[in-house]
Parts: sequence; C-alpha cells; structure tokens
Amino acid sequence: QQPVQSPQAVILREGEDAVINCSSSKALYSVHWYRQKHGEAPVFLMILLKGGEQKGHEKISASFNEKKQQSSLYLTASQLSYSGTYFCGTEGTGRRALTFGSGTRLQVQP
Amino acid sequence: EPEVTQTPSHQVTQMGQEVILRCVPISNHLYFYWYRQILGQKVEFLVSFYNNEISEKSEIFDDQFSVERPDGSNFTLKIRSTKLEDSAMYFCASSRGFTNTGELFFGEGSRLTVL
Repeated sequence: QQPVQSPQAVILREGEDAVINCSSSKALYSVHWYRQKHGEAPVFLMILLKGGEQKGHEKISASFNEKKQQSSLYLTASQLSYSGTYFCGTEGTGRRALTFGSGTRLQVQP
Repeated sequence: EPEVTQTPSHQVTQMGQEVILRCVPISNHLYFYWYRQILGQKVEFLVSFYNNEISEKSEIFDDQFSVERPDGSNFTLKIRSTKLEDSAMYFCASSRGFTNTGELFFGEGSRLTVL
C-alpha cells in the first residue's frame, strides 16, 4: 500500500520552515525520507525505526508515530539547496522493500 | 566514495524489442533493487533481490520482466517485449543490509524510451 504524503507542493522563502507528512494504512517497521533533485537520483535523508531510533541528516529532523503509522519531516530555516521533491518510503508488514509516496515538491525562493 | 553505476544512461527502443538495463551495485552490499519512475511521478518498486534470488516483487513486475546477477558485480533488469508504458527512468539501488538497517543507495538511472 502506497503511503500518502501531504502537502503535494509547497513554496517557501529562504529561512522559513516546512513540515511534510506521510501516513500509511498499514503497520510500519521503518520510514525513510529521500530528496530528489530534478533529473537526479533520490538521495537518502533519514531513517526512522520502530522503537524510536533515528539515523540521518544533521539539519533535518523527523518524527515517527508508530501507533498512527505517520511520519513528519521538519525542514527548519530552509535554504535554496533544500528545493526538490521529498519522498517518504515505508517498510511495512505487507512489503518489506520500500514503497514510496507520491512526493512533495518543495521550492525555496530567495 | 563508492556508488551505484547504471548503463546505459538513455536507451531508445521500438515497441516489442528486448531491453537489458545494467547496474553495478556497491561492492559490499547484499540487497539489490529496481525501481522505476515515470516522468514527474512517484518512484515505484519493481523487485528486490538477495542471495541470488528475488525477495519481493510488485504487481508491475510481471512475466515480461526478469532480473539476474550473472557474475559477482552486475545486476541486470531485462524487459522481454517492451510496451509504450514501459517508458520511464529505471533506478537500481543497493543496500548493505535489509530495509530497516539503513539507506538505499540509488544509481543515476537509465532512461528508457519506447517508441
């Protein structure tokens, strides 16, 4: 089952904050976050594991509510380099390989 | 820094032709994946591969698709008889351990155009 991401798109000014949400209808073992710039491959940002462990990016944080099967990615003090499409990928009971959401297009303007 | 490499970067083929996309995963990685992305859309899972066999596959990965690890380094995706709707960017990825142990490293992708 594909996770649902929101919002679909967001435009920010440099320095502003954003939150991207990801939810699943199935129980999750882990949630991954990736960023994809136009014409490039997705790049890993963060993994959140059942039980609370996190590994990832220094300037980007995320949360994982296991009971609600939801994760949120927090982008604070955004920089121009944050622009891109953000995908959450979920590892669940149905499929262990990552299933990606439809993406959130983030544009940071000067 | 080690990376996943994919060839070709772009392939144009006629409908009904066979296509082989090649990937060299990172050398000490054990899990290999193929994903595809139709232009501007989400990244879709096709298949995962571990210990020389398919671990999981999606409903997209039908009998037209096959994967192989013919030697110790290459990981290939074959599409037997391409259709127009197979046009997409195909990403190979690899990981050291299973999904919940860390990141997937993606290659730069192979763009397939079916005419």
